[in-house]
Parts: sequence; structure tokens; C-alpha cells
Amino acid sequence: GAVVSQHPSWVICKSGTSVKIECRSLDFQATTMFWYRQFPKQSLMLMATSNEGSKATYEQGVEKDKFLINHASLTLSTLTVTSAHPEDSSFYICSAKPLLAGATDTQYFGPGTRLTVL
Amino acid sequence: GEDVEQSLFLSVREGDSSVINCTYTDSSSTYLYWYKQEPGAGLQLLTYIFSNMDMKQDQRLTVLLNKKDKHLSLRIADTQTGDSAIYFCAETPVSGTYKYIFGTGTRLKVLA
Repeated sequence: GAVVSQHPSWVICKSGTSVKIECRSLDFQATTMFWYRQFPKQSLMLMATSNEGSKATYEQGVEKDKFLINHASLTLSTLTVTSAHPEDSSFYICSAKPLLAGATDTQYFGPGTRLTVL
Repeated sequence: GEDVEQSLFLSVREGDSSVINCTYTDSSSTYLYWYKQEPGAGLQLLTYIFSNMDMKQDQRLTVLLNKKDKHLSLRIADTQTGDSAIYFCAETPVSGTYKYIFGTGTRLKVLA
């Protein structure tokens, strides 16, 4: 149980284009999903918290117009990297907190999406 | 401030025990977690411990928590080559916000 998928698993795009990454909770509902960015050999950096039906909360230093987040249902959140540039190349990971997680606050992570911007 | 530190590398021989350490600074953390990340993959939840516990054991995994020193450790017994990965500890400083603060990650290499 508690499986989170991401699509695509990897994407290569040209500079200036927009890329959409999907995060789905397959066997549970998640009111809250999180988007992280991971640079090579580094830890995960939280970009934003996505709540179903409301606007995402972005961490300091993350441009909301650059990284558009939509959480339209209890099982799907999308991250769109707009006008991508080579410095946006990274490994993007989402996580989801089950609606009925109880008090443990446990997050379940997707397999990640590797974005390469040429 | 919120800062979670881990040693960067650990190398052990197959069959030995591995101990991965983590220190954190926010004493208000309610839950602390250990995640495993294999190359090019997402994070797999290994175990978690509630802040009012000292120890938790789950098969080959033992988590020790020293709340006074803000020190968390993960012991892997009988370490196997399949355990080679990066291990992250994470804390949730304020209950209810669900935000994780991740450690810097420890790269475990198991030698055959």
C-alpha cells in the first residue's frame, strides 16, 4: 500500500519550453502533497506544499510563477516548470501524506522525475 | 533553527552492523524518520520513531533516540550489499504542518 507514482520518470526539453510533472497517489487519498528538488549528491529541498483545492504554499526563494503547482484532486498534483532553463535541470520528487495517516505525519515518496533542460 | 546533520559516508563489510547517525537541533520535533534512497530513485520509508520513545526495533533495523542530545541513530544488523544506498533522517519540527526537514544524507557502501 501507499504507492506514489510520478510521470514522466525523465524528460529532456529545450530551453524556454514548459514541462509538466504529475504526482499520483495510487491507493490512497492525499490532501497534502509536497514537491522537492534534489541536486546531485545533495539532500532534498522542499519547494512547496500542495493542498487539494487550495493554493500551494511555496518555500522561501522558490518562484511561484516559475513552478506552478495544481492539486486538483485527492490523488493528483502537478508541477509545471515554466520557461525552463538549464539551471532548472534537477531531480524532482513528490511525496504525499495520506488523508488517514493518523498522527505519524508519514509521507510517501514518488520515484522522482529527472528533468534535463538543454 | 532547523538543521539536521549526518556524516556523508559510511563503508562496512557485508555481514557487519552499520550505524548511521543523525543530529538535529529542533527539540520540538514530534516524529523522526529514516528513509532509504537507491540511485536514481525516490525515497523509501524504512522506519520512524516518536519523540517520546528511546528505541524502536524492526527486524534488522534498530532506531535509538537520545532526545537530550538530539541524536538519532539507525543500526542495520547483518548489512547486505542490497543495503548500499543513501540514508536520510528527517524530522517534523512542528506537528500539524507535515513539513519534513531532511538530513544531509549518508551514503552507505557495503563491501562484499
